[in-house]
Amino acid sequence: GQQVMQIPQYQHVQEGEDFTTYCNSSTTLSNIQWYKQRPGGHPVFLIQLVKSGEVKKQKRLTFQFGEAKKNSSLHITATQTTDVGTYFCAGFSGGYQKVTFGTGTKLQVIP
Amino acid sequence: SQTIHQWPATLVQPVGSPLSLECTVEGTSNPNLYWYRQAAGRGLQLLFYSVGIGQISSEVPQNLSASRPQDRQFILSSKKLLLSDSGFYLCAWRPKDRGLLNTEAFFGQGTRLTVV
Repeated sequence: GQQVMQIPQYQHVQEGEDFTTYCNSSTTLSNIQWYKQRPGGHPVFLIQLVKSGEVKKQKRLTFQFGEAKKNSSLHITATQTTDVGTYFCAGFSGGYQKVTFGTGTKLQVIP
Repeated sequence: SQTIHQWPATLVQPVGSPLSLECTVEGTSNPNLYWYRQAAGRGLQLLFYSVGIGQISSEVPQNLSASRPQDRQFILSSKKLLLSDSGFYLCAWRPKDRGLLNTEAFFGQGTRLTVV
């Protein structure tokens, strides 16, 4: 079955430093979505990437979809304490009804 | 607007006891429904998903089961809980996909289950 791995599993950064998490799928993805889960909360949708090589930006967040549509990345510029949480990518299979989340990257920002 | 309700928020159950977690969605029809489990500090493990009433797909062999008795109701059950069933259980729904775009998932607040 489809497997979606993320690296790193954990990341501690000093406030103001950049952060990147990488998502790798064992199969080609139709689309990929990114979610953020604050500590103690539930995942919340951030963005969806559809096209090969697509790059989207949301303020300090930059999302990229690989050319082969098997990997993706999320880059945060100049992290802030509000960026703390776990970031998940999500891929689709099973007729696109089954949603498989990546293993997640937990980000800690040190003030 | 659509909302998703999941209860209870926290639950402490003894080993061997039954479990029933309920999730309901309001403001939409024919949603895809999902149950995920998240162990402490870990990722989201897909347990079950459903594309319609009575249609359940199981992802992980375990002592859990799911049912969808109504269009917007999704229930997670167990006859006998194990210690390893402890975790954060999340219900989610998605509208049916439109064309080539996958719709986003909306999560409930989660149930923190501790089996003692």
